[in-house]
Amino acid sequence: GAVVSQHPSWVICKSGTSVKIECRSLDFQATTMFWYRQFPKQSLMLMATSNEGSKATYEQGVEKDKFLINHASLTLSTLTVTSAHPEDSSFYICSASEGSYEQYFGPGTRLTVT
Amino acid sequence: TQLLEQSPQFLSIQEGENLTVYCNSSSVFSSLQWYRQEPGEGPVLLVTVVTGGEVKKLKRLTFQFGDARKDSSLHITAAQPGDTGLYLCAGRNNDMRFGAGTRLTVKP
Repeated sequence: GAVVSQHPSWVICKSGTSVKIECRSLDFQATTMFWYRQFPKQSLMLMATSNEGSKATYEQGVEKDKFLINHASLTLSTLTVTSAHPEDSSFYICSASEGSYEQYFGPGTRLTVT
Repeated sequence: TQLLEQSPQFLSIQEGENLTVYCNSSSVFSSLQWYRQEPGEGPVLLVTVVTGGEVKKLKRLTFQFGDARKDSSLHITAAQPGDTGLYLCAGRNNDMRFGAGTRLTVKP
């Protein structure tokens, strides 16, 4: 149980385009979903927290208009990187929680902006 | 400034050796989790500790939560190459904050 999927697993896009990443909880209802960013050989940096049906809470320094997060249902959250630039290239990981102590992580999405 | 300090940052050992990874903070957490992450994958939850002084064992891995719920340790006995990975601790209150991680390499 507690499986979280992400799609796509990797994506290459051109600078200036937008990319949408999906995060799904497959066998539980995720009241809260989290989006993280991870640079090579570094730890996870929390970008935002989203609760189903409400606006996401962004961490300081994360641009709301650039990283659009939607948590429309208890099993799906999306992260859209708008007007992507090469510096947005990173490993994006989502996690989901059903209100207990644990967060369950997706496998990550590697974004490369050329 | 990292809320959770992990040490050591890097660790390279031979198969069969024992090791301990530390996770320290000045903050009190309601719970603390340990994860292991392999390259190109998401972190996988190893254990959650909740009670101060709690000790949990998972095969060759022993996790301890400090009495004051500010620190934790992960001890691996007789490490194997399959234990290689990035070990992350994460403390939880209203949200979850991760340490910088300990990158472990176990050489055969």
